[in-house]
Amino acid sequence: KNEVEQSPQNLTAQEGEFITINCSYSVGISALHWLQQHPGGGIVSLFMLSSGKKKHGRLIATINIQEKHSSLHITASHPRDSAVYICAVRVGGGADGLTFGKGTHLIIQP
Amino acid sequence: GAGVSQSPSNKVTEKGKDVELRCDPISGHTALYWYRQSLGQGLEFLIYFQGNSAPDKSGLPSDRFSAERTGGSVSTLTIQRTQQEDSAVYLCASSLMGRLEAFFGQGTRLTVV
Repeated sequence: KNEVEQSPQNLTAQEGEFITINCSYSVGISALHWLQQHPGGGIVSLFMLSSGKKKHGRLIATINIQEKHSSLHITASHPRDSAVYICAVRVGGGADGLTFGKGTHLIIQP
Repeated sequence: GAGVSQSPSNKVTEKGKDVELRCDPISGHTALYWYRQSLGQGLEFLIYFQGNSAPDKSGLPSDRFSAERTGGSVSTLTIQRTQQEDSAVYLCASSLMGRLEAFFGQGTRLTVV
């Protein structure tokens, strides 16, 4: 079974700071997702990665397949970025769905 | 709408009652997943449907949980004789066959009192 570890568990930062959230997993994967969950809200899929790097607005996600590690970066952070960020991995064709990390609770203070 | 739709968004039920949760996946998506997020816990996989194949039920926590998918589209997750530990947010996701990206619904928040 794949173990997914996220760090940090909690992060409080000031508006404008550069944010990095890390995800490590134990078994080779076919894809990795970064998800965002706002309090009381549903889950939004931010990125799906199988290699390299993706950028969307102020968000950047990278993955290193050899090191079994991914990072989510937020540039020029804003209070509206406050949410739980969840890393999820899929092995093979996805018959067992995704395995999720426990999430990183991010608070951006004005 | 174009996204995954779940209903109801909130459900409060008495212990021992049965509940049904519904998921409308994105049209054309053949893969459908149910997940559960208990308070303070991470997300856990419950069940997976892919086309007309037999579902992968390996994540269902007990025989009180069942799910079906009619016509390869809408799915219903049923919890019989609900217990307080069933209180959680139940999330549904769908994806295209052979594609790895999953799209999530807003979830159903179930509270068993």
